[in-house]
Amino acid sequence: GENVEQHPSTLSVQEGDSAVIKCTYSDSASNYFPWYKQELGKRPQLIIDIRSNVGEKKDQRIAVTLNKTAKHFSLHITETQPEDSAVYFCAACETPMDMRFGAGTRLTVKP
Amino acid sequence: NAGVTQTPKFQVLKTGQSMTLQCAQDMNHEYMSWYRQDPGMGLRLIHYSVGAGITDQGEVPNGYNVSRSTTEDFPLRLLSAAPSQTSVYFCASSSLGAGRRDIQYFGAGTRLSVL
Repeated sequence: GENVEQHPSTLSVQEGDSAVIKCTYSDSASNYFPWYKQELGKRPQLIIDIRSNVGEKKDQRIAVTLNKTAKHFSLHITETQPEDSAVYFCAACETPMDMRFGAGTRLTVKP
Repeated sequence: NAGVTQTPKFQVLKTGQSMTLQCAQDMNHEYMSWYRQDPGMGLRLIHYSVGAGITDQGEVPNGYNVSRSTTEDFPLRLLSAAPSQTSVYFCASSSLGAGRRDIQYFGAGTRLSVL
């Protein structure tokens, strides 16, 4: 089955700096890679996703890159703001029932 | 359109008690799932269903039962609660159709403590 590793487990940046979170996966059949943001006490919410037929996707300050050969993908947040502070989860799957999540990265943006 | 609704939000049980966590979705999604979230371990799949009458086990199914009698509802049952089941439980749903497949929508969660 799929196994997803996520690094770092905690990340602290100054407001305005960039933040990068990296994930690796094991199953070469995986073709869908979402990123979820979870604020304290709230539900995980999808912020961006990428499928295996593209290498990069951007949405305003957020971007995700995928390297299928190396089986890793990354989340990039530019011009960070205090409201970006949350726990971020990556995931990988071929189908919804085999989706596996990383352990999460706690991002703190200091004003 | 309420999305995915979970009840209760909080629950405290004694070891050995039973309870049912409720989950309902109004998006006509075929796929529904239950996850548990523990510190430092991300989200782990307990059970899932691809349609009414069809359920299957995920990564951590022991101690939990599910059923899917309708498209909308997917309850999770703890038959004899144990302290190891103290966790936050999330229900999620997804369409299995082409296009928006795989995108999972989560409920607000149930925080369960077993004493």
